[in-house]
Amino acid sequence: DVKVTQSSRYLVKRTGEKVFLECVQDMDHENMFWYRQDPGLGLRLIYFSYDVKMKEKGDIPEGYSVSREKKERFSLILESASTNQTSMYLCASTTGPGKNRGYTFGSGTRLTVV
Amino acid sequence: GIQVEQSPPDLILQEGANSTLRCNFSDSVNNLQWFHQNPWGQLINLFYIPSGTKQNGRLSATTVATERYSLLYISSSQTTDSGVYFCAVYSGNQFYFGTGTSLTVIP
Repeated sequence: DVKVTQSSRYLVKRTGEKVFLECVQDMDHENMFWYRQDPGLGLRLIYFSYDVKMKEKGDIPEGYSVSREKKERFSLILESASTNQTSMYLCASTTGPGKNRGYTFGSGTRLTVV
Repeated sequence: GIQVEQSPPDLILQEGANSTLRCNFSDSVNNLQWFHQNPWGQLINLFYIPSGTKQNGRLSATTVATERYSLLYISSSQTTDSGVYFCAVYSGNQFYFGTGTSLTVIP
């Protein structure tokens, strides 16, 4: 089974800090995604990537950036953390177009910004 | 993007009861998945079901792509079935999620 690993389950950061959330998948998937989940708002797409060094904005990219230097790793960066970025962050990966067999999610990172 | 609507938003069941969760989507899609989010927040894939019917133990799912809906059936519910169930449909290059059905199974 494909495995998607997020580096931290729980994270507490201070306002203004630069925060890195790491996601690694082990099945050579082309596509990787970052979502945030908030009560009443469901899952919202922040950024996604089709391939190494490629990135596309999702629905709510403001305040975030991403990095994909290697195929297996997709990092989400909060340039200057703010309290409204307190949320559950979920990473997912999937095979490329035409081969899609569904998403696999990581276990999530609960980020609290104080 | 595609609109995905799930119903009901909340459901409370007595242990042993059966239930049906529904997912309607607004346009043609290539694929559809059902997920269960456990109390720790992790999304677990239940079914990858672009069309037809699949069964896995007490759970089964049916997608009628031409009519733009999918159903998730839970039979003989158990307390461990509690959590939020999400439907996600794939179109273009991404999945679109519904807002989920929150299921509580009481003993």
